[in-house]
Parts: sequence; C-alpha cells; structure tokens
Amino acid sequence: AQTVTQSQPEMSVQEAETVTLSCTYDTSENNYYLFWYKQPPSRQMILVIRQEAYKQQNATENRFSVNFQKAAKSFSLKISDSQLGDTAMYFCAFSGTYKYIFGTGTRLKVLA
Amino acid sequence: DVKVTQSSRYLVKRTGEKVFLECVQDMDHENMFWYRQDPGLGLRLIYFSYDVKMKEKGDIPEGYSVSREKKERFSLILESASTNQTSMYLCASSLPLLAGGPHEQYFGPGTRLTVT
Repeated sequence: AQTVTQSQPEMSVQEAETVTLSCTYDTSENNYYLFWYKQPPSRQMILVIRQEAYKQQNATENRFSVNFQKAAKSFSLKISDSQLGDTAMYFCAFSGTYKYIFGTGTRLKVLA
Repeated sequence: DVKVTQSSRYLVKRTGEKVFLECVQDMDHENMFWYRQDPGLGLRLIYFSYDVKMKEKGDIPEGYSVSREKKERFSLILESASTNQTSMYLCASSLPLLAGGPHEQYFGPGTRLTVT
C-alpha cells in the first residue's frame, strides 16, 4: 500500500526567508505523480506544484520548488522569499492513478 | 476559472439524522471526489465518481453513500449521522486520467459538519 508521510506538523519562518517542508512516500510503482497542495486559513485548497516521477528535473513554480529524490522516495517543497500569504496548511500527495493519497499536512506560519 | 461549490460552509445536525452534502462543479469534469479532513489524519477519500451514476468506494466509505445523477453534481449522504462523523468534508473534481497522468484536483471550500 502506498503511504505519504509528513513528519513536520508545524513550522514557522520569518518573512523573506526560505523554508523547506519534508515529505516521504512509499510505493512499489514506477510511474506516479507527486503534488503539493496549499490550504490557506478558511480558503480553498489549491495546487502549488506537480512532479512526474519519470522526470529527473525538479519542478519549479515561481518561488516554489521541489527536491525530488526518487531513490530515497523523498519529495520536499522549498519556499523562497516567504510571504505572509504563504501561511497555510500544506499537503503532500501521491497519485498513481485517479486516486490521491494525502499526507497529514504541515501547518506553516510566516512571521512578520 | 474552475469553480467547485458546496451547499453549506457550516452544518449542525443531530445524531440519527439523514444528512445531505451537495457539491457542484462548473467545468464539466468527469471525476468527482468526497474527502474527509481531520486534524492529524490529513485527507481521506470517502467515495469518488468517474462518470454519471458511477461510483467507487474510497478508503473510509462506512456510514456514507453517494449519488451522481448529473455530471456536475455529486452528493454525499450520511444515512444516520453519528458524532464520529463530525468533521470537515471536502469535495473535489478533476479531468479524467489520461496519458499525461492524474490531473490537478480542484477543491470546494469545505463543509464543517458537527453532529451533536
């Protein structure tokens, strides 16, 4: 069975600093996809970034980037130049088909 | 913009009541999902549907049923609400699985259900 583990329930970072959120997963599949979703307080969950497992290159979206280590089954999210609007719950997710498996989330607070 | 709406943001029901949670999406997505979100447990899939009148159980279907009579609408039903079903319920939709892999899921704002 696939599992997704986020070992940091809560984190904080100073505005303009860089923070890295960790995620590990377990699967026996070779083709799959990994995602980071963001859930701001009282707002809808949105996709932050997506990574295809067959791609060596790490995905990047503006200030958000991932460090994908397939052999280690690790998929961390780096947020550069943190902004107050980055305060949210972040979920790592795995998908081999149409079903997602989500981690338990990391609550990130950006401090002014 | 994709829009996924849920019928209520907050709902309070009594034990034993039948509860309907409605979800509507406006992007003609084939796939729709119901999740339950609890602190420390993340999101857990209750049911999903990949077409009208089609449904499949997720990881925690016990105590729930679903209905999808129209493509844009996916309902979650609690046949007899219990206190352990107090939770945040999230609906999501997505395009079908294609060669490019699973698509982004678009989420509704959630319904916080309290069963007393």
